[in-house]
This record gives sequence, C-alpha cells and structure tokens, in this order.
Amino acid sequence: EADIYQTPRYLVIGTGKKITLECSQTMGHDKMYWYQQDPGMELHLIHYSYGVNSTEKGDLSSESTVSRIRTEHFPLTLESARPSHTSQYLCASSNVGQGIYGEQYFGPGTRLTVT
Amino acid sequence: AQSVTQLDSHVSVSEGTPVLLRCNYSSSYSPSLFWYVQHPNKGLQLLLKYTSAATLVKGINGFEAEFKKSETSFHLTKPSAHMSDAAEYFCVVSDKSGGYQKVTFGIGTKLQVIP
Repeated sequence: EADIYQTPRYLVIGTGKKITLECSQTMGHDKMYWYQQDPGMELHLIHYSYGVNSTEKGDLSSESTVSRIRTEHFPLTLESARPSHTSQYLCASSNVGQGIYGEQYFGPGTRLTVT
Repeated sequence: AQSVTQLDSHVSVSEGTPVLLRCNYSSSYSPSLFWYVQHPNKGLQLLLKYTSAATLVKGINGFEAEFKKSETSFHLTKPSAHMSDAAEYFCVVSDKSGGYQKVTFGIGTKLQVIP
C-alpha cells in the first residue's frame, strides 16, 4: 500500500478563489508529479519535481504553480480558480533509485469543481 | 518519439470469461511498460510492470501481460473476469527520451463486467 496522501479529496469553490491542493508522501521518494485528468480522459502531466527546490512544467500547460520545499510535500496552487480548472488532480511519487523504470505511486486524487 | 495507444476505450465481458485489454506503444529507446488500474473515485494502482526481464509479466489479481517487441504490444489479459475487475485501466510507457525520463499514459480502457 502506497503512502501518498492528497487533501482535500473533494473541493467545490467559487471563481476567483485561491486554492492549494496538498500532496504528501512518507516514502522518502525524490520524484513527485501532478497530473490532471478530465472525466473519461487520459492523464496529463502538469508539473513534476526531481527533489527539493526542483520544479518543472509538464506536457500540459497549466495555470497552476507548485513548490517543493520539503521532500515529502508537493503542494499545487491555483491563484485564481476558474471553471476551466474543474478536473481531477492526481499526485504521484517515485524513487529516483528505481532508475528509468518510473514506477509511480499515486494518491487518491482531488476532485475540484469551480463554479 | 514516445506514444501509447489503447485500442479500445470500452470493453465489456461477462463474469467468468477472459479479459483482453490491448495496448500498443512506440519508443525510440528500450522502454519500461506498465499497467495501472483505477477504480471509481480512487487513485491509480500498479497492476504490473515490464522492465526488460521476462517478457511475460504476472501482476496482482490474476492479471498478466506479454511484451512483444516485434508487434510493439503489451496487452493485458486475465483468464476469468470478476465483478471487482470493473474499473479503468491505463497502459503506460516510460523511457529515457533526450536523456531524461519521460512517462506517457494511454487514454484508458474502461472495463465493464456483466454478471
């Protein structure tokens, strides 16, 4: 069982609000990821991090930002939420020591609805 | 270039009959391949992975997949479907494109199991 947590699980919020989606893992993994998944659609990588103070944008452009101040914590922030941000956000982590194999452990996801 | 094609967006089987979920990939490097399962309102769980060892890979819950390089395929199979197998399944390819690890998810196949 993977030890990666996301809060909140569900969030309904009004347009213009600032929100932070939390992601924490207790496995000591160096690499962490954020994916966006619309209903019935594929996952898109929006951010990733190779370690503390490392953040990179993923394949899908996103208005969100991330930070990695601690190994175990990788929060995602939307400064001003809009209805187009409505989606499921999945956080994942992997161990650099696993080399290129890239086995990722996923959190349960945050389902965000912006009204 | 790296890509993943899941050939069926929906598959429906009767309980107790075999399951076949198809996946084709392209990769310029020796890839690692994965299958993940996602149950409703849950995160993704690793079913199995291929990492250049045995071409027939056994995973959890009775699933297995065979890596066929000549066909660039990594189809997921199970001899007998169970109701609890109803979920969405993602095929994933990972390689070192351009010197860094790149991971691409397929669009997913929704498996329906009919009693």
